[in-house]
Amino acid sequence: QKEVEQDPGPLSVPEGAIVSLNCTYSNSAFQYFMWYRQYSRKGPELLMYTYSSGNKEDGRFTAQVDKSSKYISLFIRDSQPSDSATYLCATLSGGSNYKLTFGKGTLLTVNP
Amino acid sequence: NAGVTQTPKFRILKIGQSMTLQCTQDMNHNYMYWYRQDPGMGLKLIYYSVGAGITDKGEVPNGYNVSRSTTEDFPLRLELAAPSQTSVYFCAIYRGMNTEAFFGQGTRLTVV
Repeated sequence: QKEVEQDPGPLSVPEGAIVSLNCTYSNSAFQYFMWYRQYSRKGPELLMYTYSSGNKEDGRFTAQVDKSSKYISLFIRDSQPSDSATYLCATLSGGSNYKLTFGKGTLLTVNP
Repeated sequence: NAGVTQTPKFRILKIGQSMTLQCTQDMNHNYMYWYRQDPGMGLKLIYYSVGAGITDKGEVPNGYNVSRSTTEDFPLRLELAAPSQTSVYFCAIYRGMNTEAFFGQGTRLTVV
């Protein structure tokens, strides 16, 4: 079983829509979750990270972790064409074994 | 402060040839990672290192080797290139929880 699974894309939405991106993870011991954004032909860049459960908000972006269902989500409000990119969820196995594992990514296109 | 430097940016290899992808950092981060990204796919972890002298296999290590003799350098070696290794390779560095993993610009490798 993969450590993190991401909903397959691609996803195409009109400008201004609310976008929901989702991942599930396998190990209930995972506590640290990240969302990365990758523009075409570039390396990924950190968007947000969350620790343990709950919500974290940053501008139009909200990251949510539900530990009971092992589900992580990223919501984008008032989506813009500049949000068009691939979004990757990631998790980190901590302790002394810092293995950083990514989901497959979801390609999002926001149409003007 | 260059962060993470990957060389070369592009390379075409013939089947059976070998090469080393270089990754150098100037941020003194302990954790370093090699990923491959196939078209339309997420990042698959090849190898990672939690410090000089320590390496461990990721999800797809077959056909690759790594070494970590210094904190700064984490080269990835392909011994007998195969067409299945055609991909974009990213090196990443990480300091620990509540921080950001930084990625290099990637190496586009084609095996023909």
